[in-house]
Amino acid sequence: EVHLVESGGGLVQRGGSLRLSCAASGFTFTTYWMHWVRQVPGKGLVWVSRIDETGSITTYADSVKGRFTISRDNAQNTLYLQMNSLRAEDTAVYYCVRAIEYGSSRLGYWGQGTLVTVSS
Amino acid sequence: QSALTQPASVSGSPGQWITISCTGTNSDIGGYNYVSWYQQHPGKAPKLMIYDVTNRPSGVSNRFSGSKSANTASLTISGLQAEDEADYYCCSYTSSTTYVFGTGTKVTVL
Repeated sequence: EVHLVESGGGLVQRGGSLRLSCAASGFTFTTYWMHWVRQVPGKGLVWVSRIDETGSITTYADSVKGRFTISRDNAQNTLYLQMNSLRAEDTAVYYCVRAIEYGSSRLGYWGQGTLVTVSS
Repeated sequence: QSALTQPASVSGSPGQWITISCTGTNSDIGGYNYVSWYQQHPGKAPKLMIYDVTNRPSGVSNRFSGSKSANTASLTISGLQAEDEADYYCCSYTSSTTYVFGTGTKVTVL
């Protein structure tokens, strides 16, 4: 069974930094694309970033490009999101998402999320 | 990248069927057969219901079906049940190699 557990969320000041982690289990982590998606409480889903199986291909939403960095440690089955220069509008629940299937980057299976609050 | 357009709310009685639309552009829905749909109950993580326009993951009820025509995708729920009451989001791959979600639709079972 796919199991994704996000951590690292919390309260941070505007302009600060935070690193989110996502521990993966129940599948072969090294063979799947992974994503981060965020959701302001009570609002819609917004795609943030994706990374390929080896970490060599990364893509970002324009709203976070240059501030956020996605990475992965395949030896530790862990996905990361380094968030710098945080803004109030980055406040959201951040979800770690695994691709639907091997060889595809389409979003499939979701973790429970971690809340990031940026105080202004 | 602007969000895909969904109706804010759709409602139906138990046993009826409803359809949720998701409208994009030639650069997303119209350009790829990579549309997926997610169900989200309050306080819970989203759950994949449909992928690649029409495919259902294992374990998802066959009451859920998807389709696409030009720049608009649709999710149909037949035999509506109380447990189907939730928010639904569409999602598409884009020509910018990113993904974009819909604005979300609240489904109410009357």
